[in-house]
Amino acid sequence: NAGVTQTPKFRILKIGQSMTLQCAQDMNHNYMYWYRQDPGMGLKLIYYSVGAGITDKGEVPNGYNVSRSTTEDFPLRLELAAPSQTSVYFCASSGLAGARDIQYFGAGTRLSVL
Amino acid sequence: AQRVTQPEKLLSVFKGAPVELKCNYSYSGSPELFWYVQYSRQRLQLLLRHISRESIKGFTADLNKGETSFHLKKPFAQEEDSAMYYCALTSGGSRLTFGEGTQLTVNP
Repeated sequence: NAGVTQTPKFRILKIGQSMTLQCAQDMNHNYMYWYRQDPGMGLKLIYYSVGAGITDKGEVPNGYNVSRSTTEDFPLRLELAAPSQTSVYFCASSGLAGARDIQYFGAGTRLSVL
Repeated sequence: AQRVTQPEKLLSVFKGAPVELKCNYSYSGSPELFWYVQYSRQRLQLLLRHISRESIKGFTADLNKGETSFHLKKPFAQEEDSAMYYCALTSGGSRLTFGEGTQLTVNP
């Protein structure tokens, strides 16, 4: 009963380094999302996908890239990490009704860029 | 553009007292609204949504289109209700817009 799995749980990056945050879901959901959670700011949508091969920008896409080659996986790539990307990142998925459907969240990845 | 406002970042009540977490939204169409909750060391999860019109863990929320509000209420707060609560809205597309969250603390 895994649901949405995110790896790693924690990571420290140096400025300018790159990394990929992994997200996988086993519920055969079409929709997948990446959010960042900053203290006092709520969750901001970075990118989302409505199905394999289809991705779109959210509110705060700058500095990030995504791909969706399979239904199960939705990795988030950080290129040239900056201190402003220090945050907690959540991946989520939902069924055919998209945002009207319940979103299931991963446990999060806590990222620090120093 | 759709927007969700939760005016209280922090809310503290005593056990057994009523609690109301405020949520106001701006959207001209017919939105769908949700409350999500994040307990300490747990994942963010759905608490309730207005289309279900149900009570979960004693919480209820009524959509007031006239006041554009979706306040979350519970008549008698319990210590296990302490958590971060997020109000969220969708216009029916692919995106869910979250409010900034309210940290509820229920004191013994």
